[in-house]
Amino acid sequence: GAVVSQHPSRVICKSGTSVKIECRSLDFQATTMFWYRQFPKQSLMLMATSNEGSKATYEQGVEKDKFLINHASLTLSTLTVTSAHPEDSSFYICSAHPGQGANQPQHFGDGTRLSIL
Amino acid sequence: KQEVTQIPAALSVPEGENLVLNCSFTDSAIYNLQWFRQDPGKGLTSLLLIQSSQREQTSGRLNASLDKSSGRSTLYIAASQPGDSATYLCAVTYGNNRLAFGKGNQVVVIP
Repeated sequence: GAVVSQHPSRVICKSGTSVKIECRSLDFQATTMFWYRQFPKQSLMLMATSNEGSKATYEQGVEKDKFLINHASLTLSTLTVTSAHPEDSSFYICSAHPGQGANQPQHFGDGTRLSIL
Repeated sequence: KQEVTQIPAALSVPEGENLVLNCSFTDSAIYNLQWFRQDPGKGLTSLLLIQSSQREQTSGRLNASLDKSSGRSTLYIAASQPGDSATYLCAVTYGNNRLAFGKGNQVVVIP
């Protein structure tokens, strides 16, 4: 089955640090990748849609300059949380879509637990 | 805006009982609906995907139904086991392959 690898699984760092999270599709090409954030006991909230070779589309209320997304190839998207602060602490999950129509499911990474001290 | 609601938010059942988890969504213009399992601090495991043209899907002890016109889906888990303890998330795919998630049904199966 389709596998999505997300790295790192956990990050603990000081306030003001920038953190990069990688999302890779291992055995398929993902024309579209999605980034979600999940706070405790809350649902996953879509942050942005990332298309290979173009700028990401951000959801309302998500700061583009805070959450930098790069989708440089069909198998890799990165999310960089710039100058992270404690309120950015959350669970970040990526998903990848093979781009063969809306009826194909997205495949999810295992998530990254980000803790900002 | 698509909104997904799951009730109950949490439930505990004795082992062996059947589980019934409910999901509702506000906009019936969906491509499909998925049920996921999430263990604490972990990612998502896809359980079932129902296309918008389908009424139900089954996998082992799991059965999910979809009534698109009324914006409802139900996940049935037969003969629950302690290993079924987890949070179950419902999500619908709508415009531009975007997913809208509910907050989840947190399930505890008591041995």
